[in-house]
Amino acid sequence: AQSVTQPDIHITVSEGASLELRCNYSYGATPYLFWYVQSPGQGLQLLLKYFSGDTLVQGIKGFEAEFKRSQSSFNLRKPSVHWSDAAEYFCAVGAGYGGSQGNLIFGKGTKLSVKP
Amino acid sequence: DSGVTQTPKHLITATGQRVTLRCSPRSGDLSVYWYQQSLDQGLQFLIQYYNGEERAKGNILERFSAQQFPDLHSELNLSSLELGDSALYFCASSVDINTEAFFGQGTRLTVV
Repeated sequence: AQSVTQPDIHITVSEGASLELRCNYSYGATPYLFWYVQSPGQGLQLLLKYFSGDTLVQGIKGFEAEFKRSQSSFNLRKPSVHWSDAAEYFCAVGAGYGGSQGNLIFGKGTKLSVKP
Repeated sequence: DSGVTQTPKHLITATGQRVTLRCSPRSGDLSVYWYQQSLDQGLQFLIQYYNGEERAKGNILERFSAQQFPDLHSELNLSSLELGDSALYFCASSVDINTEAFFGQGTRLTVV
């Protein structure tokens, strides 16, 4: 069965430090992979997505993610974190026949706190 | 603002009751998705509609039902509510079945 694992429930980084959020997926074929961010009281905003091609994907707000098929991973990175990045981050895989961008299986999320 | 509108934003109701959550998709979007976000289960896909027809079903309870109307807005009906149904319910919409989905801000349901 398809699944997404985010091993870190909560991460705290200092402002200006680099960030890497881990995501591992289980999927039979080439997956559609996504990272979403949820700020308190807000909906989900898409940061970036991967379907095929270049395994390093650039997103909004300075985020990037790298797809590694051999490790079944899609880790999210940012070189320098800003206080406004404090939020909860969700990795997701597109489910459904032929892939889907709306029928998604989400990980449990990683809550990011940023120290001044 | 994603352009997806969900009403109401907050809802408090008693066990055993029935509620209806409403979603207005972005203009031009034909597909609507419903999700439930709870502390226990995380974010779970419930159901998808495309142009009025059910397209995919996820972990939706039999007490829950949804529909998409000709004007493309969608409603999620939750009946015989239990305490465990307390959650944030999200609607998302996309132009087509395989294009990027945009999420609304959710309806927070509290069952007391």
